[in-house]
Amino acid sequence: DIQMTQSPSSVSASVGDRVTITCRASQDIGSWLAWYQQTPGKAPKLLIYAASNLQGGVPSRFSGGGSGTEFTLTISSLQPEDFATYYCQQANSFPRTFGQGTKVEIK
Amino acid sequence: QVQLVESGGGVVQPGRSLRLSCAASGFIFSDHAMHWVRQAPGKGLEWVAVLSHDEDNIYYADSVKGRFTISRDNSKNTLFLQMNSLRGEDTAVYFCARDANDLGDSHFDHWGQGTLVTVSS
Repeated sequence: DIQMTQSPSSVSASVGDRVTITCRASQDIGSWLAWYQQTPGKAPKLLIYAASNLQGGVPSRFSGGGSGTEFTLTISSLQPEDFATYYCQQANSFPRTFGQGTKVEIK
Repeated sequence: QVQLVESGGGVVQPGRSLRLSCAASGFIFSDHAMHWVRQAPGKGLEWVAVLSHDEDNIYYADSVKGRFTISRDNSKNTLFLQMNSLRGEDTAVYFCARDANDLGDSHFDHWGQGTLVTVSS
């Protein structure tokens, strides 16, 4: 199985800050990576697919990058509604696997 | 708009069975593979199973293989998860999610709100 490791596990930041989350895969997954955002009590929401493609309706302050085994999710200017937990997920092979999550908290 | 609505969750004793449903609307259900994903209380996301649009391709997580069965009824736009021999570690919110593609080899572009399954004596 492909292991997905996110860092950091949590980050404290202020509105307007730039935040970057890293996701590492245990083997090469090309660009088969998605990022999801989840707020408490809600379903996950797709933000980024194929490593760097912004899902329709997602604000342009979100961006994704990387390929192979190392990927990033960047929020260019954190907004109040962005405080949430973020998950990466590989779509290269089964079983699908998620990172453990990164919680973005208010500083 | 795309809607996925799960139902069938509840409290069940260890060793018993439960069947979850996911009613889909707002898109051509038979054009998409569908997944089940679960989330234990306070934990991260765990993928459970996928079923392709034509039911030809099915995959399960090792943790549920042999106990859970994913199925679909394209005439009723509904996805199912039959869960047998339930264990305490199966306690979770279960989400159905739509795959962007028909074979299940892409990302999950829409999710239901989830249904809670609690396995407890």
